Amino acid sequence: AQKVTQAQTEISVVEKEDVTLDCVYETRDTTYYLFWYKQPPSGELVFLIRRNSFDEQNEISGRYSWNFQKSTSSFNFTITASQVVDSAVYFCALSERSGGGADGLTFGKGTHLIIQP
Amino acid sequence: SQTIHQWPATLVQPVGSPLSLECTVEGTSNPNLYWYRQAAGRGLQLLFYSVGIGQISSEVPQNLSASRPQDRQFILSSKKLLLSDSGFYLCAWSRRLQETQYFGPGTRLLVL
Repeated sequence: AQKVTQAQTEISVVEKEDVTLDCVYETRDTTYYLFWYKQPPSGELVFLIRRNSFDEQNEISGRYSWNFQKSTSSFNFTITASQVVDSAVYFCALSERSGGGADGLTFGKGTHLIIQP
Repeated sequence: SQTIHQWPATLVQPVGSPLSLECTVEGTSNPNLYWYRQAAGRGLQLLFYSVGIGQISSEVPQNLSASRPQDRQFILSSKKLLLSDSGFYLCAWSRRLQETQYFGPGTRLLVL
């Protein structure tokens, strides 16, 4: 069974600090996909990134970067020079290729990120 | 571009009353559609998904049901709501299996 663990329930940092959100996953498949979503107070989930299991290159998008390490089954997300607008709940999610017919995402429980001015 | 709509945005219903939540997608055809529920302080749980009109797969046995009467319309229903049905209901779509799922604005349901 697939599983996603976000051990950090809540993180609070001061604006302009860097912050890393951890995500550890479990899967028996060799082909799978990992995602990060942002959920601001409005509630809508905003897609941030999708990564397949064969692409271990780290990715950077502006102040956001992602570190995918298959050896440790981790897909961590770093925000550089955090801003108040980054405050939100962030979810890591996993999708297996052979999901037994189910095509849904398995979500972690989320990390509530608070950026203090 | 594609957009996804959900209504109503918020809903307060008494226990035992029926429920109908609607989700529609614009700007794409034959999408995969999903219903998720997010209970307070918890992650998202997949409830139903559909790969085509009239095709519904249920992931969690419960008193909810889903239907897909049209290609881009997905409906979540219940004949009798329970207190435990309270939560935030999110609809999502994707182009194909395993591809990125895009979420709607959600419906907040409070059952009293």
